[in-house]
Amino acid sequence: DAGVTQSPTHLIKTRGQHVTLRCSPISGHKSVSWYQQVLGQGPQFIFQYYEKEERGRGNFPDRFSARQFPNYSSELNVNALLLGDSALYLCASSLGGDGNTIYFGEGSWLTVV
Amino acid sequence: GESVGLHLPTLSVQEGDNSIINCAYSNSASDYFIWYKQESGKGPQFIIDIRSNMDKRQGQRVTVLLNKTVKHLSLQIAATQPGDSAVYFCAEIVTGANNLFFGTGTRLTVIP
Repeated sequence: DAGVTQSPTHLIKTRGQHVTLRCSPISGHKSVSWYQQVLGQGPQFIFQYYEKEERGRGNFPDRFSARQFPNYSSELNVNALLLGDSALYLCASSLGGDGNTIYFGEGSWLTVV
Repeated sequence: GESVGLHLPTLSVQEGDNSIINCAYSNSASDYFIWYKQESGKGPQFIIDIRSNMDKRQGQRVTVLLNKTVKHLSLQIAATQPGDSAVYFCAEIVTGANNLFFGTGTRLTVIP
């Protein structure tokens, strides 16, 4: 069975541009979360979606937005990119509910120049 | 704010030895803990988890110990292999919350 899949794997954008990152959760998983991992640090929570509704949001500006589709896949959008947005963006999925194991994808490497 | 931290940022061990990676957490309300392994250029890989109603859990070559009294978590890797070289993160979550809190990680290097 496929794990959490993310696309694209790598991309380079210019300051001020917009980016869309995509995630497909493990089959049967209804919860998708997004994390940002800056080089040398642990992942930081951005969003969680469950059953297409936003269930949590981390301390990120409004330039960051996300949504979940009926098939439970998800998109993370970032507007007006800054150099500091350069990071590995991780998607995680779980069955949903409390105490379910959370699995991560391989991430999308975003470089803003 | 609440945080998850690690005592040692780097750890080097000889192949075949046992490794112990430590983690301190500060949120006493956290009741579910996960260890992840992250290899260079890859996403975090689930290793083992433990809930707050347990103090020990074993997997294949790995054991997690939880000491709620001192808010300490450890990951023990038996017979460490070169393929175990990676950054290890502990993460905590509070039941009902939506997100994992990660520490900065410990880099484990296995010397052949």
